Amino acid sequence: GAVVSQHPSWVICKSGTSVKIECRSLDFQATTMFWYRQFPKQSLMLMATSNEGSKATYEQGVEKDKFLINHASLTLSTLTVTSAHPEDSSFYICSASLLRRRWDQETQYFGPGTRLLVL
Amino acid sequence: AQTVTQSQPEMSVQEAETVTLSCTYDTSESDYYLFWYKQPPSRQMILVIRQEAYKQQNATENRFSVNFQKAAKSFSLKISDSQLGDAAMYFCASLEVQGGSEKLVFGKGTKLTVNP
Repeated sequence: GAVVSQHPSWVICKSGTSVKIECRSLDFQATTMFWYRQFPKQSLMLMATSNEGSKATYEQGVEKDKFLINHASLTLSTLTVTSAHPEDSSFYICSASLLRRRWDQETQYFGPGTRLLVL
Repeated sequence: AQTVTQSQPEMSVQEAETVTLSCTYDTSESDYYLFWYKQPPSRQMILVIRQEAYKQQNATENRFSVNFQKAAKSFSLKISDSQLGDAAMYFCASLEVQGGSEKLVFGKGTKLTVNP
């Protein structure tokens, strides 16, 4: 149980276009979803935290108009990279936190990630 | 702000031997959690082990154990009887819960190589 999926797993797009990445909790309801960015050979950096039905909270230095996050339901959050540029090329990972989490359950379940390449 | 430091960018170990990965952290909270995550080449984040700060007993999960030194803010991971499948990036992370929201902060990672 507690599986998180991301779609697509790989995307290549032209500079200036927008790309949407979906994050779904497949078998549980997620009160909160998180979006991370990971550059090659680097660590995960939290970009934003989203709660269902409310606006996302962005970390300092992350452009909210550039990275649009929508958390429309307890099982789906989307990240849209608007007007993508080559410097946006990265690995994007989402995670989901269980609604009514038990003490022995993981705090966050991670998706498999999405690799974005902007040409 | 919480910080997590991993001072070993790379480590190597012989198969069946034991290796220890270091991690130090800094937090102003009294209630927090610490984690070790494994990221294999597939890049899927896998939870290895976790430690609640209020627990004095060190967490163990089969071949994986931690040495949690709260006063020193140290949280090292020991891997016993290393296996080839243990080769991966290992990230130390701390989780703070403030006002109902939580934030997971990762260290820069340690790349572990297991030599046959």
